[in-house]
Amino acid sequence: TQLLEQSPQFLSIQEGENLTVYCNSSSVFSSLQWYRQEPGEGPVLLVTVVTGGEVKKLKRLTFQFGDARKDSSLHITAAQTGDTGLYLCAGYSGAGSYQLTFGKGTKLSVIP
Amino acid sequence: GAVVSQHPSRVICKSGTSVKIECRSLDFQATTMFWYRQFPKKSLMLMATSNEGSKATYEQGVEKDKFLINHASLTLSTLTVTSAHPEDSSFYICSARDFRTRITDTQYFGPGTRLTVL
Repeated sequence: TQLLEQSPQFLSIQEGENLTVYCNSSSVFSSLQWYRQEPGEGPVLLVTVVTGGEVKKLKRLTFQFGDARKDSSLHITAAQTGDTGLYLCAGYSGAGSYQLTFGKGTKLSVIP
Repeated sequence: GAVVSQHPSRVICKSGTSVKIECRSLDFQATTMFWYRQFPKKSLMLMATSNEGSKATYEQGVEKDKFLINHASLTLSTLTVTSAHPEDSSFYICSARDFRTRITDTQYFGPGTRLTVL
């Protein structure tokens, strides 16, 4: 079983601050996806990264896939209260694999 | 993005009864759907992979006779929790794999079903 380690597990910051969430593994993933989940709802896909070294931006969110495709990071600039939620990284381990491996998630609270 | 729906969103049942949860892909065909279980403040745990027209593949430790999965069409998979007990209370989430997105192989998740067994 390939594991994805997310850190930190919990993060509480003031509105306007920056933060980074990490997703690491000893295994190579063909792609990694980042989701955000709010209480009582299903995960919503934010982005998929496929190429090693890839950087994708989604407004104030920047996603990076490591060169070796074993890790990824999510950076949020000037956090807002609406960013509060559970952030999950998930990945497919290889060609033909159709099962997502999920990290344990990072619970982000942005305080006004 | 693609839309996946789940019904019901919440269900409360008595111990010993069975509950059926539906998962539908609304604007695409999904030959493969997945059922997850999520405990409070925890990540998603894959229960089983549902394949259209064939038997579901269950993860280790998941009782196939208790969690019956049927994937009768390309847009519908159902999960039936049989003889439910309070320990089955959880948040159940389905996802559908969109084969149109071949490069990214994206899964889209339903909104979840909160099951409470009294």
